[in-house]
Amino acid sequence: GAVVSQHPSWVICKSGTSVKIECRSLDFQATTMFWYRQFPKQSLMLMATSNEGSKATYEQGVEKDKFLINHASLTLSTLTVTSAHPEDSSFYICSASGGGGTGLYEQYFGPGTRLTVT
Amino acid sequence: AQSVAQPEDQVNVAEGNPLTVKCTYSVSGNPYLFWYVQYPNRGLQFLLKYITGDNLVKGSYGFEAEFNKSQTSFHLKKPSALVSDSALYFCAASSGGSYIPTFGRGTSLIVHP
Repeated sequence: GAVVSQHPSWVICKSGTSVKIECRSLDFQATTMFWYRQFPKQSLMLMATSNEGSKATYEQGVEKDKFLINHASLTLSTLTVTSAHPEDSSFYICSASGGGGTGLYEQYFGPGTRLTVT
Repeated sequence: AQSVAQPEDQVNVAEGNPLTVKCTYSVSGNPYLFWYVQYPNRGLQFLLKYITGDNLVKGSYGFEAEFNKSQTSFHLKKPSALVSDSALYFCAASSGGSYIPTFGRGTSLIVHP
């Protein structure tokens, strides 16, 4: 299957700083990328959906000024957690799909990024 | 609004026995259904999907799932469980009306030796 990488795999930062997480589709063009947040032993919470070259669509309750998403190319999307606080500590997972917004295609997930804010 | 239900938080099965992980869905229009597996501290891996065609779908690692339109279900099955199948399993659904998939809460499968 297609490969999606995510970097870094884990990061520890101080409260008030910003952290950037990269998501890359290595062997296919991802027309749509998704960003999720997962709490321990809980399901995935969709944060936002982004299509290449356009602004991300955020889910209700997700602060777009705090979680900046950029999908500059068909192989790269970034999530920047700005002014991070301890409550932002979580496991962040990206996924990519080549479905062109049709919903027909499976998602390929990155390995996740464990963010700890101290 | 579309929704996916995985009624069991945890499924326990002995190695060698058949396993079933349940999933029901609610979408508008024809459903597109997916199963993913997540191992600890990892992202999700795609197992199988149903878009159209045969109701029984075969996927990776010997897993299969049966689409039942009347019961709006898409249960994941495997004839003989392995200890290495122990993981968190997610069902997801989308449709032509909403391409953004909705995930179930996940079911933890524990296979005992």
